[in-house]
Amino acid sequence: EAQVTQNPRYLITVTGKKLTVTCSQNMNHEYMSWYRQDPGLGLRQIYYSMNVEVTDKGDVPEGYKVSRKEKRNFPLILESPSPNQTSLYFCASSLSGGQSRSPLHFGNGTRLTVT
Amino acid sequence: DQQVKQNSPSLSVQEGRISILNCDYTNSMFDYFLWYKKYPAEGPTFLISISSIKDKNEDGRFTVFLNKSAKHLSLHIVPSQPGDSAVYFCAASASYAGGTSYGKLTFGQGTILTVHP
Repeated sequence: EAQVTQNPRYLITVTGKKLTVTCSQNMNHEYMSWYRQDPGLGLRQIYYSMNVEVTDKGDVPEGYKVSRKEKRNFPLILESPSPNQTSLYFCASSLSGGQSRSPLHFGNGTRLTVT
Repeated sequence: DQQVKQNSPSLSVQEGRISILNCDYTNSMFDYFLWYKKYPAEGPTFLISISSIKDKNEDGRFTVFLNKSAKHLSLHIVPSQPGDSAVYFCAASASYAGGTSYGKLTFGQGTILTVHP
């Protein structure tokens, strides 16, 4: 089954404790992206990757890191989480990005709480 | 600066009637528009899209209308069904933005649609 898999689904952590949210897709998609969803703000892009070893900042990259060492994986790293990073996070992938008109496929989300 | 706006946080409709969800945008470079649907505890799923060269696109019960002069698009669901109850996001992208805008979708805030039996 074609899918984007994120782990964990729920995560509660404390300020400053490094964490990684994993994302994997099995569709051989070139483009991957991370979004956060906050009430009243919709989905905002954190980082995106057009292919292996090619990543770039989205609208709200501060406090986040990503890497794309393999095509299928695109982990989101919070080196020193803070309470304002409490949010619902989505990983997404598509064949080759928005300009190709191929729709994004989203994972089921990771609910992160930072205390 | 919210470039894509969905001004109605929620909409309630009776089963069988029409649901109309609205979306406004400010960036005149946007030339491709999409609607995504999101159920609780799931990620958004693609519903329907429209290119700026068209003013209407239809897929079964779902029709998207684009008014470029007004920078406005709408999603019509006819007839509405209880299973349509979800959050609907509109999104937009620009083909020739280049640079850091490549492949980027800009989303609205979402509208919660509730269809009552």
